[in-house]
Amino acid sequence: QVQLQESGPGLVKPSQTLSLTCSVSGASISSGSYYWNWIRQPAGKGLEWIGRIYTSGSSNYNPSLKSRVTMSVDTSKNQFSLKLSSVTAADTAVYYCARPPRSLAWYFDLWGRGTLVTVSS
Amino acid sequence: QSALTQPASVSGSPGQSITISCTGTSSDVGGYNYVSWYQQHPGKAPKLMIYDVNKRPSGVSYRFSGSKSGNLASLTISGLQAEDEADYYCSSYTSSSTWVFGGGTRLAVL
Repeated sequence: QVQLQESGPGLVKPSQTLSLTCSVSGASISSGSYYWNWIRQPAGKGLEWIGRIYTSGSSNYNPSLKSRVTMSVDTSKNQFSLKLSSVTAADTAVYYCARPPRSLAWYFDLWGRGTLVTVSS
Repeated sequence: QSALTQPASVSGSPGQSITISCTGTSSDVGGYNYVSWYQQHPGKAPKLMIYDVNKRPSGVSYRFSGSKSGNLASLTISGLQAEDEADYYCSSYTSSSTWVFGGGTRLAVL
């Protein structure tokens, strides 16, 4: 059974870079043809898709965040990562990693539990 | 890209049916049959309930159904049960190869 688990600092100072990792267990991140996604949710608000990265390294980002987002995959550690630069209080949210069931699937059936990141000095 | 439009809240009594609307544009909901719906209970991760407009994943109750007409997608829950009380989000693939979500609808089972 494949599982995703987010990890990273729960508190980030304004203007700094938020860094999160999603660890994949139960399967190799390199097996299959998957796009690995990040989605966030500010407290009491809706979901926002941040972006996705393929095992090969190709990626797509939300246009509203594109200038600040970098995603990467580390196959040796079976994990993928998110970096969001120049953060502000508006970036405070629960961050989820998620995955569709296959490459040509346009929905997310596998989610991590989420990790809360607070941006504050 | 703008968020899809959902009503902030809906309510119904046990046993009744409710419908949650999700309005997009021709660049997302209207352009693709890639609308999905997620259920989220407080403090939990979203759970996939409907994908590709009207398909149900294994394990999801038949009481949940989806449809689409033009730029408007809908989620219908029949035979409301107390455990259906949650937040529901629609999502669509877009012409920019991105995903957009709705603002969410809180369902109250009275």
